[in-house]
Amino acid sequence: QSALTQPPSASGSPGQSVTISCTGTSSDVGGYNYVSWYQQHPGKAPKLMIYEVSKRPSGVPDRFSGSKSGNTASLTVSGLQADDEADYYCSSYAGSNNYVFGTGTKVTVL
Amino acid sequence: QVQLVESGGGVVQPGRSLRPSCAASGFTFNTYAMNWVRQAPGEGLEWVAIISRDGSKKYYADSVKGRFTISRDNSKNTLYLQMTGLRVEDTAVYYCAVEGFDIWGQGTMVTVSS
Repeated sequence: QSALTQPPSASGSPGQSVTISCTGTSSDVGGYNYVSWYQQHPGKAPKLMIYEVSKRPSGVPDRFSGSKSGNTASLTVSGLQADDEADYYCSSYAGSNNYVFGTGTKVTVL
Repeated sequence: QVQLVESGGGVVQPGRSLRPSCAASGFTFNTYAMNWVRQAPGEGLEWVAIISRDGSKKYYADSVKGRFTISRDNSKNTLYLQMTGLRVEDTAVYYCAVEGFDIWGQGTMVTVSS
């Protein structure tokens, strides 16, 4: 199972928006509405930010939103804040009780 | 509070074995499937394995199939990962995570080196 493809980096100024893509295939991202997004600060465990493509867990600000079109999912962070600077990973159910993660994107707040 | 605490990582030689564990608290452990996810130094996340609520069903990533075994003891609220035939490329932080990946432990470092 190959990792989902994410851009290595993305950036924006405080208050701006940044969108990260996550490209898979019809066997994972395109085949199921089970795409999740995680935020990971250095030395910390990942934190779930979006699940089932566009749902937010309790406590996650509505500045974080998710969507999907075909084999590509996207995470948008609006109103960028300094603490949003982190690595972001997507994941998808890939069938047969397997999961696959994305390659990761480092978001920099300029 | 809801918590997962991994332990049992360490430094081992190639070909040897190790069994990290994950102690759960603050939730009804036996009502959730559980995962192991790993992250090599400076690299991304890689799903490793999942086990069903009662431990009867287990699924693995191709990279560890036949070498790693996931198990659980619901009486002890503990998840395990028996790792055998360890390779240098298995070096990583190993995280346990609840089935929806909404709860993660802090991770335990496994280093495979001669």
